[in-house]
Amino acid sequence: EAGVAQSPRYKIIEKRQSVAFWCNPISGHATLYWYQQILGQGPKLLIQFQNNGVVDDSQLPKDRFSAERLKGVDSTLKIQPAKLEDSAVYLCASSLEGVNYGYTFGSGTRLTVV
Amino acid sequence: GQQVMQIPQYQHVQEGEDFTTYCNSSTTLSNIQWYKQRPGGHPVFLIQLVKSGEVKKQKRLTFQFGEAKKNSSLHITATQTTDVGTYFCAGHNYGQNFVFGPGTRLSVLP
Repeated sequence: EAGVAQSPRYKIIEKRQSVAFWCNPISGHATLYWYQQILGQGPKLLIQFQNNGVVDDSQLPKDRFSAERLKGVDSTLKIQPAKLEDSAVYLCASSLEGVNYGYTFGSGTRLTVV
Repeated sequence: GQQVMQIPQYQHVQEGEDFTTYCNSSTTLSNIQWYKQRPGGHPVFLIQLVKSGEVKKQKRLTFQFGEAKKNSSLHITATQTTDVGTYFCAGHNYGQNFVFGPGTRLSVLP
């Protein structure tokens, strides 16, 4: 089966600019996650979608980050305006519904804010 | 909130030596997952443990869930260079999302 697709792979922007990331999960996976992974740390959940509804966005910095999954399939994560501390890898993951399934991660987008 | 810790942070072993990483949660977990992330790669799901005291094996990897469901371990027997990477545990608390630990970075010297 095809994996989780993410684009772009790399992005370099200046602080205060905006950026968007795209994710296409595995077909049939109702649950989609966006994670932020800062170098040397474990992934930190930003937002979880179940189909096209938000389940958990408690750790999403809503003043600058937004995400949507309009048709319950692919998703976009946006940062506006970016800060230096947003430099990280943004990972998208998907899973079947429920807590008994492992996550399949995409290759991620490495964001550098200068 | 729930916290998941892992020790050690780094481990350097000679090829053929054994390796163990430990995962500890501040709260009782409903289940725990383990992932491996190769350098420059993304996390890859290895296994999930659900039952108290559960032990699962995958070839040279042995995973264990503590009796109190607050800790877990991953043991690799006779490490190989292909085992290089960072191993993450992710703990799930009832009604909440999985929380990833900081990982243990394993390097294997040939």
